[in-house]
Amino acid sequence: QVQLVESGGGVVQPGGSLRLSCAASGFTFSSYGMHWVRQAPGKGLEWVAFIRYDGSNEHYADSVKGRFTISRDNSKNTLYLQMNSLRVEDTAMYYCAKDPNGDYPFDYWGQGTLVTVSS
Amino acid sequence: AIRMTQSPSSLSASTGDRVTITCRASQGISSYLVWYQQKPGKAPKLLIYAASTLQSGVPSRFSGSGSGTDFTLTISCLQSEDFATYYCQQYYSYPLTFGGGTKVEIK
Repeated sequence: QVQLVESGGGVVQPGGSLRLSCAASGFTFSSYGMHWVRQAPGKGLEWVAFIRYDGSNEHYADSVKGRFTISRDNSKNTLYLQMNSLRVEDTAMYYCAKDPNGDYPFDYWGQGTLVTVSS
Repeated sequence: AIRMTQSPSSLSASTGDRVTITCRASQGISSYLVWYQQKPGKAPKLLIYAASTLQSGVPSRFSGSGSGTDFTLTISCLQSEDFATYYCQQYYSYPLTFGGGTKVEIK
């Protein structure tokens, strides 16, 4: 069965950096695009970034463009999100999600990893 | 970026009620719209895709309609397990964008 397990969250000071990971299993990781989606405490959902199955193309939300980088290692079945110049407003639960390459954006989600940006 | 406006932001209803949530896109998105249900502490669950197609396993009391800029999610007979927050999302173009959410609470 499809499993997506995020890790790497924690507490970081404003201006700091953090790298999130998402370990994928139960499907052919190298055949599917992947997304990051976040949700601030008590707030709504915000799409963050997408990477194509082969890493050849990426898209970002305006709020993170130039600060966050999505990447993947298909040999390790792992998705990453490098977050630099973190701001208090980046505090959120970060989910990775699989793109089914079909009729809708996400078919499976991870359980999330919490990032807290605070001094 | 395409802005998605959901209304209402919250509503109170009773079991058995018919509930309607609306979502408006700031520009035409054809039928590239999905609806999710989210319960506290859980990842969202896909209910409807392509504006009106029911995801496999989702009860038939959920339905979606609309195209272009105006969309609707209807729950025909609210059940206790339907009290949750609902989000629309467009996937017509990047950046993907969500509506602000509608919290359905018990009256």
